[in-house]
Amino acid sequence: EAQVTQNPRYLITVTGKKLTVTCSQNMNHEYMSWYRQDPGLGLRQIYYSMNVEVTDKGDVPEGYKVSRKEKRNFPLILESPSPNQTSLYFCASRPLLGSAGELFFGEGSRLTVL
Amino acid sequence: AQSVSQHNHHVILSEAASLELGCNYSYGGTVNLFWYVQYPGQHLQLLLKYFSGDPLVKGIKGFEAEFIKSKFSFNLRKPSVQWSDTAEYFCAVMDTDKLIFGTGTRLQVFP
Repeated sequence: EAQVTQNPRYLITVTGKKLTVTCSQNMNHEYMSWYRQDPGLGLRQIYYSMNVEVTDKGDVPEGYKVSRKEKRNFPLILESPSPNQTSLYFCASRPLLGSAGELFFGEGSRLTVL
Repeated sequence: AQSVSQHNHHVILSEAASLELGCNYSYGGTVNLFWYVQYPGQHLQLLLKYFSGDPLVKGIKGFEAEFIKSKFSFNLRKPSVQWSDTAEYFCAVMDTDKLIFGTGTRLQVFP
């Protein structure tokens, strides 16, 4: 089954404790992206990657890091989480050609930073 | 850069009522437009998309949207809503390499 898989789905952590949210897709998509969803703000892009070893900042990259060492994986790293990073995070992917930009989303990861 | 406005933040309807959710994007040219739906506790799913051709686009579950270039609009419609349509709806526009989302409209449908 074609899918985007995120882990963990739910996480409660404390300020300053480094964490990684993993994202993996099995559709051989070149493009991958992370969004955060906050009430009243919709979805805002954090980082994206056009292909292996190519990453770029989105609209709200502060406090986050990403890497793209393999085509299928695009982990989101919070080196020192803060309470304002409490949010619902979505990973998404798409092919560079042929989908007219349609994104395929993971199930989401709800993060709470105390 | 593109931006997307969804003016209805929260819509409450009774079953069988008609639905129209507004979506406007900021500037013209060639645009790829999308409506996504997020059911409670779930991820975003594509309802429909427009990238060329017939400006009236039909999607899943009886939804449709009309692209009106002169109004920079891509409103979502459904003639008769059901309780199962309760969800959050996001309009999005493709801008270069990324999808720009609106702030979403929460739809509640009561039996």
